[in-house]
Amino acid sequence: AQSVTQLDSHVSVSEGTPVLLRCNYSSSYSPSLFWYVQHPNKGLQLLLKYTSAATLVKGINGFEAEFKKSETSFHLTKPSAHMSDAAEYFCVVSDYTGGSYIPTFGRGTSLIVHP
Amino acid sequence: KAGVTQTPRYLIKTRGQQVTLSCSPISGHRSVSWYQQTPGQGLQFLFEYFSETQRNKGNFPGRFSGRQFSNSRSEMNVSTLELGDSALYLCASRPDRGLQETQYFGPGTRLLVL
Repeated sequence: AQSVTQLDSHVSVSEGTPVLLRCNYSSSYSPSLFWYVQHPNKGLQLLLKYTSAATLVKGINGFEAEFKKSETSFHLTKPSAHMSDAAEYFCVVSDYTGGSYIPTFGRGTSLIVHP
Repeated sequence: KAGVTQTPRYLIKTRGQQVTLSCSPISGHRSVSWYQQTPGQGLQFLFEYFSETQRNKGNFPGRFSGRQFSNSRSEMNVSTLELGDSALYLCASRPDRGLQETQYFGPGTRLLVL
């Protein structure tokens, strides 16, 4: 069975400082991993995904994540936070089952950006 | 291309009633999945439809059901509503059943059960 743990429910940073959102996963197979962002009253938007190609994945809006199999981690980073980055972030692991990919979501990390 | 659309965006119902939510996927997408998002349980997978067939189902009671039409539009129905069904219901679509498993989400329908 697959699972995903987002290690921080809230992360608070100042604008212009680095962002680190942590995610550990558990999966029986070679998983696909995703990060999504959800702004208030909006649906989820894909930031980036890992599907067994390069371990360092670049996404939109300057975000990137590194897949580390030995640590079963897929942490999300950004060098410099912007006020518009304030949102809820979800780490997702997806395994192939029943003829399709079924995602399991982390509980989310709320990113707070201070001016 | 237009994104995933969901109607209605907001809904208020009372306990015991039933509700139907609608989702129109991105043009050309044949897979539609439904999710429930609540503060207590987070985001949980409800079910997925592909080519009018339910392909996978999450751990929800039988009061939650869905269907998909030949144009890939999908509806989700919840019967005998309970207070705990209050949630944001998200629909997501993706192109096909292959390796392109990236999903594109709609804005959601916020259901309040009184």
